[in-house]
Amino acid sequence: IAGITQAPTSQILAAGRRMTLRCTQDMRHNAMYWYRQDLGLGLRLIHYSNTAGTTGKGEVPDGYSVSRANTDDFPLTLASAVPSQTSVYFCASSALAGGNYNEQFFGPGTRLTVL
Amino acid sequence: GNSVTQMEGPVTLSEEAFLTINCTYTATGYPSLFWYVQYPGEGLQLLLKATKADDKGSNKGFEATYRKETTSFHLEKGSVQVSDSAVYFCALSDHGGSQGNLIFGKGTKLSVKP
Repeated sequence: IAGITQAPTSQILAAGRRMTLRCTQDMRHNAMYWYRQDLGLGLRLIHYSNTAGTTGKGEVPDGYSVSRANTDDFPLTLASAVPSQTSVYFCASSALAGGNYNEQFFGPGTRLTVL
Repeated sequence: GNSVTQMEGPVTLSEEAFLTINCTYTATGYPSLFWYVQYPGEGLQLLLKATKADDKGSNKGFEATYRKETTSFHLEKGSVQVSDSAVYFCALSDHGGSQGNLIFGKGTKLSVKP
């Protein structure tokens, strides 16, 4: 069982370019999340999806969009990348959204550099 | 709003030393509490959890007790190993939250020297 996979592993991107980070889970989890990890700031939630067909904004959504067409996939798109979006991006999933303890499973991350 | 505060690192210890990483939280309601570990170059993994007051989570020799009276969830290990070198994140999940995400502390980097 792969769990959560993310692609690409790393990417260097010119400012102004469009980029989609891919995330796929094979655990049939209802909820999925995108976080960014920055030194000294920990992990911050960008967007989330409680179930297929629904999405919501997290703490730092500006400049990012997501879609959840099916249970397994949750791509994150940067429409026009800026240097401040240089970060490590983690996708996560959980069986349930909210409710009882909400153990999340994380992917290996995508390291994105915007020049 | 909900928040998590954990001690700043980095923390450097010798092998077999005792480890404590402090974590305190602010939350409405009755959150669940977690410790996640991130080894170099990897994603986060759940280390242990506690879902109600006085619960003790434990795994791989690490322990943490949910203390509602002090709003704390300190991580401890009696004898650390070089392989424990990683970044440790304390987190909470608000049961009543509609989005169900975790609120993370900023992380504490632990380095264990032989």
